[in-house]
Amino acid sequence: QKEVEQNSGPLSVPEGAIASLNCTYSDRVSQSFFWYRQYSGKSPELIMSIYSNGDKEDGRFTAQLNKASQYVSLLIRDSQPSDSATYLCALKLTGKLIFGQGTTLQVKP
Amino acid sequence: EPEVTQTPSHQVTQMGQEVILRCVPISNHLYFYWYRQILGQKVEFLVSFYNNEISEKSEIFDDQFSVERPDGSNFTLKIRSTKLEDSAMYFCASSAPKGGTEAFFGQGTRLTVV
Repeated sequence: QKEVEQNSGPLSVPEGAIASLNCTYSDRVSQSFFWYRQYSGKSPELIMSIYSNGDKEDGRFTAQLNKASQYVSLLIRDSQPSDSATYLCALKLTGKLIFGQGTTLQVKP
Repeated sequence: EPEVTQTPSHQVTQMGQEVILRCVPISNHLYFYWYRQILGQKVEFLVSFYNNEISEKSEIFDDQFSVERPDGSNFTLKIRSTKLEDSAMYFCASSAPKGGTEAFFGQGTRLTVV
C-alpha cells in the first residue's frame, strides 16, 4: 500500500475560488505533515506544516489534519494564477520525508 | 533569508563517470538530506546525515553512492559510476535540530547521464 496518496489532477479552479487539495496516508506512527509547492522544474518549497488534529491557517492557506481518518488537506483561498503548481503532501517518518505524487493545480484567470 | 544552495545547477556526464554534487545547508542546521526526483515521478528519499554520519538511507542509496561533509559548510553526494537511470533532479535539504522538523530544499542539480 502506498504510504502517501494524492490525486494527481489536474485540479482546475477559476481565479478567486477556493482550491481544495487532499492527501491520505497509511502510516499511523507519523506525527508531522507538510505541504510543499513545486513549480515545474523547480525544487519543493515549504508552504505549511501541521502536527496536531484540526486546522492551521497561514494567510490564504489552511491545512487540516485528521489523524483518525489519516487525512491531510490544504485549502487555498482566493486562488491566483501564480498558485498554479504541483502541491506535494509529505509526512515525516523516522526523520525522512515521504512524499506523495503531488496534485497539479491550475488556476484559470 | 537563509537558504540551501546547490552546485552545479546542471551536470551532464557520461555513463560510468563519477560525479559529485555539492550543497551548502542552512548554517545553523544539523540534519542534512539528499532526495532525488526522476522526471515525472515523486520526490524520493536517498539519505539523511547527522553528526558526521549517515543516520538513514534508502534502498536506492547503494554502494555507488556516498555522502560526505568535508568541512563545516559543504555536504556532498558522490555517485561513483553513473548509470543512465541516475538521471534525475537531486535535491539537498536541511533541517534544524529542535523545535521545527521542517526541511528546506535547495534549488536542485539536474543530472543527465548520457
